[in-house]
Amino acid sequence: AQTVTQSQPEMSVQEAETVTLSCTYDTSENNYYLFWYKQPPSRQMILVIRQEAYKQQNATENRFSVNFQKAAKSFSLKISDSQLGDTAMYFCAFMKHTGANNLFFGTGTRLTVIP
Amino acid sequence: NAGVTQTPKFQVLKTGQSMTLQCAQDMNHEYMSWYRQDPGMGLRLIHYSVGAGITDQGEVPNGYNVSRSTTEDFPLRLLSAAPSQTSVYFCASSYSPTPASGSPLHFGNGTRLTVT
Repeated sequence: AQTVTQSQPEMSVQEAETVTLSCTYDTSENNYYLFWYKQPPSRQMILVIRQEAYKQQNATENRFSVNFQKAAKSFSLKISDSQLGDTAMYFCAFMKHTGANNLFFGTGTRLTVIP
Repeated sequence: NAGVTQTPKFQVLKTGQSMTLQCAQDMNHEYMSWYRQDPGMGLRLIHYSVGAGITDQGEVPNGYNVSRSTTEDFPLRLLSAAPSQTSVYFCASSYSPTPASGSPLHFGNGTRLTVT
C-alpha cells in the first residue's frame, strides 16, 4: 500500500517570500508519479506540478519547483515570490506507474500568504 | 467544452435516504473516478472506471455503488445515507486509463453532501 504524509497542517509566508511544503511517501514501487495539487477556497483541484520518479531532474513550473529525493522518499514543493493567489490547501499525491490513474493523497497543508 | 460537470453542488439528506451524485464529462475520457474529501484526511478514492462497462473499488467503497453505462457518465449512488458519508465528493477523469501516457486528471468542482 502507498502512504503519503504531509507533516505541516498549516503554514504561512509573507508575500514575495519563498516557502517550502514538505511531503514524504512510502511505497515498494520503483517507478511512479508524484504530484502537487492546489485547492483554493473555490474548492477546485488544480494540478501544480508533476514529477516522474525515473527522471532525476526536478520538475519546475514558473514559480513552483520540487525537490525530489527518491532514496529518501521525499517530494517537497518550493513556491518562490509568493503571491496572495497562492493562498490555498496544497495536496501531495502519488500514482503508481502501472494499473489505473488512481491517486493517493496526503492530508494537505493549508498555506496562507500574508500581504 | 464543459470539462467535468458534477451535480448537484450541495445536497442535504436525512439518514436512510438514497440519492445519486451525477458526474459527466464531454472530453471522451476513458478513466473516471470518485473521491471523497474529509477534514484532516485528504482525498480518498471510492470507486473508479477504466472504460464503459468496467468499474472497480478504491480505498473506501462501502456504502457506495457506481455504474458506467456510457463513456460520458459515472454516477455515484448512496443507497442508504449515513452521517459518516457527510463529505465533499469529487469526480475526476482522464483521457487515458493508465498513468504511463501522462494523461492528467481533470477534477469537477465537487458536491458538498450533508447527512443529518
